[in-house]
Amino acid sequence: KAGVTQTPRYLIKTRGQQVTLSCSPISGHRSVSWYQQTPGQGLQFLFEYFSETQRNKGNFPGRFSGRQFSNSRSEMNVSTLELGDSALYLCASSLGRSGGRETQYFGPGTRLLVL
Amino acid sequence: GQNIDQPTEMTATEGAIVQINCTYQTSGFNGLFWYQQHAGEAPTFLSYNVLDGLEEKGRFSSFLSRSKGYSYLLLKELQMKDSASYLCAVRVPGGSQGNLIFGKGTKLSVKP
Repeated sequence: KAGVTQTPRYLIKTRGQQVTLSCSPISGHRSVSWYQQTPGQGLQFLFEYFSETQRNKGNFPGRFSGRQFSNSRSEMNVSTLELGDSALYLCASSLGRSGGRETQYFGPGTRLLVL
Repeated sequence: GQNIDQPTEMTATEGAIVQINCTYQTSGFNGLFWYQQHAGEAPTFLSYNVLDGLEEKGRFSSFLSRSKGYSYLLLKELQMKDSASYLCAVRVPGGSQGNLIFGKGTKLSVKP
């Protein structure tokens, strides 16, 4: 089974621009979660999508948004980029069952640099 | 709020045993995960604990005490390839905090 894939792997943008990142989950997985990883804050949860609906949301500003398509692929968008948005953005897929042993499998991430 | 604490860095010698501790204070608990993350790579799943006690998987073991809000990851017979960051994560019930809260990770360096 192919793993979680993310595109692009690296991205350089300037302040004020917007960016769209893509994530394709493992086949059969219906849940996609997005995380931001920085050296200072570690991994922080952005949001989770399941069956094209946002199921959970972290404490990030409205500039961060996402969506999920009928084939479970997901995109996240960051508008009006700020320098502090420079980070590794990871997506993780899972079957989507509630709670318990449900394991998330991570993609390689998109490294975003905002200049 | 949600809080997960791990040591920032640890150093150990090849062939030795190392224990990485994790303490947590969260609103609810649906299990605790350990992930390994090599530099520049994605986190990979190591273990899951939801009941008190020790779970063993090869050279890696993970322990949980829910009453103490405490877990540890034990790595035996350390190898150079075990040099990585180890992330402790707690699954909390749904809502605005999401489903997995991560600690900031412990960077383990294994030396010859």
